[in-house]
Amino acid sequence: AQKVTQAQTEISVVEKEDVTLDCVYETRDTTYYLFWYKQPPSGELVFLIRRNSFDEQNEISGRYSWNFQKSTSSFNFTITASQVVDSAVYFCAPPPGNSNSGYALNFGKGTSLLVTP
Amino acid sequence: DSGVTQTPKHLITATGQRVTLRCSPRSGDLSVYWYQQSLDQGLQFLIQYYNGEERAKGNILERFSAQQFPDLHSELNLSSLELGDSALYFCASSTRGAYYGYTFGSGTRLTVV
Repeated sequence: AQKVTQAQTEISVVEKEDVTLDCVYETRDTTYYLFWYKQPPSGELVFLIRRNSFDEQNEISGRYSWNFQKSTSSFNFTITASQVVDSAVYFCAPPPGNSNSGYALNFGKGTSLLVTP
Repeated sequence: DSGVTQTPKHLITATGQRVTLRCSPRSGDLSVYWYQQSLDQGLQFLIQYYNGEERAKGNILERFSAQQFPDLHSELNLSSLELGDSALYFCASSTRGAYYGYTFGSGTRLTVV
């Protein structure tokens, strides 16, 4: 079955450290895309990015960057110079369309990031 | 403000009761998705509606039902509530389908006592 794995359950860093959140997608597809969502302590779910596997360049948005590594089927998310406001649970989601959910996104347990002052 | 409106934000009710959660999608979005988030189960897809019709079902209990009205707002009905139904319930909407991502509402926190 196609699924994403976020092996890091919890990460704790000190403010201003860089941190990378890992996401591995097991698939036989040669091209695909993945999503990242953020859920801060306030609870809302915020869409961060939808990224295609064939996009070879890193995507950068301010302190956030995303990197596809085809060799390891990983779609990693790096926060540079982390801030306390980055504390949240981050979800990596595979493309929709499996037999269980029709055309809905399926989310795993995510990675909980805690940034301390 | 994401543009997806969920009401109420908080709801406390007793076991055995029935509640209705409401969702208004972003203007122009035809698809509505409902999710349940609990500590033990994580974020679970419940059901999707597209332009008034049920499109996909996930892990939705038979005690739960939903519908989407002509004005595109959606309601999730939870009946015979149990303690284990306590969770955050999210609604999301999309314009072009899940392949392009969703916009989530702020959720309804349901507490069953």
